[in-house]
Amino acid sequence: DAGVTQSPTHLIKTRGQQVTLRCSPKSGHDTVSWYQQALGQGPQFIFQYYEEEERQRGNFPDRFSGHQFPNYSSELNVNALLLGDSALYLCASSGVAGNEQFFGPGTRLTVL
Amino acid sequence: GQSLEQPSEVTAVEGAIVQINCTYQTSGFYGLSWYQQHDGGAPTFLSYNALDGLEETGRFSSFLSRSDSYGYLLLQELQMKDSASYFCAVRDQTGANNLFFGTGTRLTVIP
Repeated sequence: DAGVTQSPTHLIKTRGQQVTLRCSPKSGHDTVSWYQQALGQGPQFIFQYYEEEERQRGNFPDRFSGHQFPNYSSELNVNALLLGDSALYLCASSGVAGNEQFFGPGTRLTVL
Repeated sequence: GQSLEQPSEVTAVEGAIVQINCTYQTSGFYGLSWYQQHDGGAPTFLSYNALDGLEETGRFSSFLSRSDSYGYLLLQELQMKDSASYFCAVRDQTGANNLFFGTGTRLTVIP
């Protein structure tokens, strides 16, 4: 049973560019959440997708957007990249009423 | 909003017991989770408390006091592989299962 997978593993972009990160949830999970983790900090909640809709959103600007597909996989898009967007982006999935979130290995984004 | 406080670093000896405290302030509260994260790795779930009291899972236990907005993670029989960062995280009242994490406690286990 594959866990949460994310792609790519690493990514280097320049300021002003756009990026798309991808996530496939654990088998049987229908809810996907995205987190940003800066170096030395805890993960910060970006948003959560359920039934192909954004269900809840953290304190992130509209430059951060997402999508969930019918197979429950998800994308995170970030437009007009800033240096401060450099971080580890984590995807987590969970099932109905699940107390545990399963995290993927993350995508390390570096903005130059 | 939410805020969580944890000690930034803890050092303990192999075989010993260590307690990592977490205090939280939140507009709504549904439960407190603990996650472990090794350097370069993904956070992995350790425990979850929705009600007051102690939850035990092997060498790890977690405690919650809702009236004190306080919890702790207890690690027993420490092993070198327990060296990692430990995060408490609040699940807010909406029950949407998104988490608000603290800044983490870096545990170093020494021989």
